[in-house]
Amino acid sequence: DAGVIQSPRHEVTEMGQEVTLRCKPISGHNSLFWYRQTMMRGLELLIYFNNNVPIDDSGMPEDRFSAKMPNASFSTLKIQPSEPRDSAVYFCASSSEKGTQYFGPGTRLLVL
Amino acid sequence: KNEVEQSPQNLTAQEGEFITINCSYSVGISALHWLQQHPGGGIVSLFMLSSGKKKHGRLIATINIQEKHSSLHITASHPRDSAVYICAPIYNTDKLIFGTGTRLQVFP
Repeated sequence: DAGVIQSPRHEVTEMGQEVTLRCKPISGHNSLFWYRQTMMRGLELLIYFNNNVPIDDSGMPEDRFSAKMPNASFSTLKIQPSEPRDSAVYFCASSSEKGTQYFGPGTRLLVL
Repeated sequence: KNEVEQSPQNLTAQEGEFITINCSYSVGISALHWLQQHPGGGIVSLFMLSSGKKKHGRLIATINIQEKHSSLHITASHPRDSAVYICAPIYNTDKLIFGTGTRLQVFP
């Protein structure tokens, strides 16, 4: 298995632009997690899905952030409009029921 | 206040030394991950444990659920062990809360 796949790996954009991050979980995993990592706040859970249904989105910073999981093999995290403070590394992870979480390589986002 | 406390925050060692990283958390959990993040940024789960002890190669993780404490040990440390080690307890269902991490540098 290729592991968790994230795209793009790097994104540079200007303030106000829409940013879409993509994640393909490991086949057969039924939980998917979006995390953000910054120097100031470390790793934080943004949202997680179980069987494609959002379970906990309490970590989503504000209405500018939205996440979807239209099917078991794909999820998106969208920021609209983006701001410089959104610059971070965004990780996607997946797991089977109560199992170990496997992390993707991350998307490094820079908002100018 | 961070619900997860790790110590030490930074650690340097000579190759071959025995390493211990500690993690304390404040509320009941179902299990706990130890994660490793290398300078390149990738995150790998080393262990997920809910009781007792687990061993993988030179790495050993222990947890005491009653005392709300876990430790990660590295025997015969090597420069390639240099990384940030993150304790991440699992609350409620699958929600991870992350420690601040321990930055380990092992010198030859």
